[in-house]
Amino acid sequence: ETGVTQTPRHLVMGMTNKKSLKCEQHLGHNAMYWYKQSAKKPLELMFVYSLEERVENNSVPSRFSPECPNSSHLFLHLHTLQPEDSALYLCASSQGRVAYNEQFFGPGTRLTVL
Amino acid sequence: EDQVTQSPEALRLQEGESSSLNCSYTVSGLRGLFWYRQDPGKGPEFLFTLYSAGEEKEKERLKATLTKKESFLHITAPKPEDSATYLCAVQAAYSGNTGKLIFGQGTTLQVKP
Repeated sequence: ETGVTQTPRHLVMGMTNKKSLKCEQHLGHNAMYWYKQSAKKPLELMFVYSLEERVENNSVPSRFSPECPNSSHLFLHLHTLQPEDSALYLCASSQGRVAYNEQFFGPGTRLTVL
Repeated sequence: EDQVTQSPEALRLQEGESSSLNCSYTVSGLRGLFWYRQDPGKGPEFLFTLYSAGEEKEKERLKATLTKKESFLHITAPKPEDSATYLCAVQAAYSGNTGKLIFGQGTTLQVKP
């Protein structure tokens, strides 16, 4: 595996389900990010982890819960989502605690909430 | 409020027809400006980082330039494989160690053979 990988690539869930998105980076980076990309809207930063410590929570509802067990893995736990949460969820990573450096993105998970 | 605006929203070119995409930004102290390319169903692919006004970077048929208020992505003699959505993002000086990027809505480029 190379770069940033995400699983699953597609997910359909009901409003009462609990699911998790997984991201893994194979670049030796130490910062990881979750973004949300909705139709007709710019990418929105959700969470940032630097050296496994959460350094940014961009006013995200509590039904989204991130987890970063080590510098290579990032999870997004989902529960009681709303239909408006349907979007492409992108994971990214970068090198450096002070992120002047470019972020590298995974392919995303296309989430549909019924 | 920090903001990034890209224009046009969509652009159709004939193969070989050069053009430019615009990214206007308002930010409290620019740390860096980033260009990405995104193909349908994929994540954004990094193209360039620009840090200061007057800076230019090139890659194949693409050239990015930066002023104090905007950036341009110039596409010279484009080919159909250049068709994609091009995203611009800025990182503010106050973003500290978060690495927070503020993205524009993107320009969708279609190059016809």
